[in-house]
Amino acid sequence: NAGVTQTPKFQVLKTGQSMTLQCAQDMNHNSMYWYRQDPGMGLRLIYYSASEGTTDKGEVPNGYNVSRLNKREFSLRLESAAPSQTSVYFCASSEGPNLNYEQYFGPGTRLTVT
Amino acid sequence: QKEVEQDPGPLSVPEGAIVSLNCTYSNSAFQYFMWYRQYSRKGPELLMYTYSSGNKEDGRFTAQVDKSSKYISLFIRDSQPSDSATYLCAMSLLNRDDKIIFGKGTRLHILP
Repeated sequence: NAGVTQTPKFQVLKTGQSMTLQCAQDMNHNSMYWYRQDPGMGLRLIYYSASEGTTDKGEVPNGYNVSRLNKREFSLRLESAAPSQTSVYFCASSEGPNLNYEQYFGPGTRLTVT
Repeated sequence: QKEVEQDPGPLSVPEGAIVSLNCTYSNSAFQYFMWYRQYSRKGPELLMYTYSSGNKEDGRFTAQVDKSSKYISLFIRDSQPSDSATYLCAMSLLNRDDKIIFGKGTRLHILP
């Protein structure tokens, strides 16, 4: 089992460009999450999907959109990237349906916006 | 007051020492407490969890919860260089829709 996979691993964008971060899990988990991690700020929840077909905003959703494509895949889209979105992005999944079940994290995507 | 507070470190200790990592929290209703370990350039992984108060031991690791003080600790005995990582505390209520709240993490260096 690969667990949680994320693509790409690294990305550099110019201000105003758009991109989609991809996440997939092979553990048959119901719930999936997108976090960003910044120095001194810890992990902050951007969006989550408690189950297939549902998505909800987390703590810092502005500037992002998500799609729960199917039970396995949960993508994060930046429509018009800004330097403030420079961060490391982690996708996570959990068995659910409770949102406080153990979360399994992917390896992260390092995004730089210039 | 932030919900979960954790000293960012870095904390440097010699190999073999006992390490104590701590978090304080403000919401007395939290009942589910976790410690995640994050190696450099990797995602966090769950190390230990415990419900409510008391101690839980797993090998060299002991998780301790003091609900009266709103304080949790992770102890590492016989620390090894491979324990060098960032340790994030996390906690939650027990209701279905309650999300996990993470601390900002403490960077730990074990010196050979």
